Amino acid sequence: DQQVKQNSPSLSVQEGRISILNCDYTNSMFDYFLWYKKYPAEGPTFLISISSIKDKNEDGRFTVFLNKSAKHLSLHIVPSQPGDSAVYFCAASQGGSEKLVFGKGMKLTVNP
Amino acid sequence: EPEVTQTPSHQVTQMGQEVILRCVPISNHLYFYWYRQILGQKVEFLVSFYNNEISEKSEIFDDQFSVERPDGSNFTLKIRSTKLEDSAMYFCASSGGTGNTGELFFGEGSRLTVL
Repeated sequence: DQQVKQNSPSLSVQEGRISILNCDYTNSMFDYFLWYKKYPAEGPTFLISISSIKDKNEDGRFTVFLNKSAKHLSLHIVPSQPGDSAVYFCAASQGGSEKLVFGKGMKLTVNP
Repeated sequence: EPEVTQTPSHQVTQMGQEVILRCVPISNHLYFYWYRQILGQKVEFLVSFYNNEISEKSEIFDDQFSVERPDGSNFTLKIRSTKLEDSAMYFCASSGGTGNTGELFFGEGSRLTVL
């Protein structure tokens, strides 16, 4: 039951370039989407979120885009830095639920 | 900066044994959660806890699992009789405001290995 899908397991980019991480979902009832970052031996850390009433949310170098008709969201990191190297999880929830549904994660490597 | 702390960081146990994983959430948070990640798989929701009771649980959270907030600071996950498939990283999380904002603060995890 993969309600949240991150189809690419890894991405490698050069420092200073843009990183684009993609996420698809199947449950049209999801109305809140989040990105978490995880370093080895640490728990996931909240990065940025977006409500379904918006199509874009920006926080510094991080921007999340939501395309509800395509059930697709993406995280843009620009410029990418070596410290951004981590596993990124897309997650979603639906109104009133405290349950986050996570994707499998994507490993981002930013090369100096 | 306040953080969620978990103990133990790693526990090895025999199948059928009881295990208690402990968590100290951020002190002024009201919502508490357990998630787990089996190696190579996605992070999965187990249970949420608010106002001293379970507010939501997944199908994974069967009768073998229980949670408790025995005092004002600790939040525990008990697995009554562990199975091999319970081997996973267990993450505790807490949040301060309304539970469904999603801005959960996670601990570093407790790795459970069932032999």
